[in-house]
Amino acid sequence: SYELTQPPSVSVSPGQTARITCSGDALPKQYAYWYQQKPGQAPVLVIYKDSERPSGIPERFSGSSSGTTVTLTISGVQAEDEADYYCQSADSSGTYDVVFGGGTKLTVL
Amino acid sequence: QVQLQESGPGLVKPSQTLSLTCTVSGGSISSGSYYWSWIRQPAGKGLEWIGRIYTSGSTNYNPSLKSRVTISVDTSKNQFSLKLSSVTAADTAVYYCARVVPWGGYYYMDVWGKGTTVTVSS
Repeated sequence: SYELTQPPSVSVSPGQTARITCSGDALPKQYAYWYQQKPGQAPVLVIYKDSERPSGIPERFSGSSSGTTVTLTISGVQAEDEADYYCQSADSSGTYDVVFGGGTKLTVL
Repeated sequence: QVQLQESGPGLVKPSQTLSLTCTVSGGSISSGSYYWSWIRQPAGKGLEWIGRIYTSGSTNYNPSLKSRVTISVDTSKNQFSLKLSSVTAADTAVYYCARVVPWGGYYYMDVWGKGTTVTVSS
């Protein structure tokens, strides 16, 4: 199987910048997507195709890619950004064309 | 705006078949080039993709679940469905349905249902 690796947790103070990473061997060749999930709610797409932001998603959410790592950056973190964040991508062969990372709990201190 | 709603039994006995339906509202399931997918999430754990279907009936499944999964579509009812056979306690989870955007061989979910909890227990 194919795995995407995320840190279990990230903590940041309000107004600071949070960076959540996702690593995978196929990421240089595959796009990554990011979802935000608040407790008891369904996931919400916040970044697609590495760095594109869907309409309605605040500008403080951005994405980037470098080699085998993609990064979700939240600038000027707000208390409402506290949530679990999941990356999603695929392996290079197409066998596993939808794979989620294990998720990262963002805590706003 | 498209909305998705999952429905089905909240309790399934071990070894039986789990059956869920997702009803699409606010748009036709056949419009556009969208696929339709099921994803699940055990309590306190991460997301697991189950599979997807196109309105033509073409399907793709997670290799780890493929032997037990069937996803079907009923365009006349604007619904698609999930069947998971031979369930065990490990299949207890919140099950989500979602709309899938295909783009150049890549797939991601842009609209999600609220999810429905399924417990496998005797």
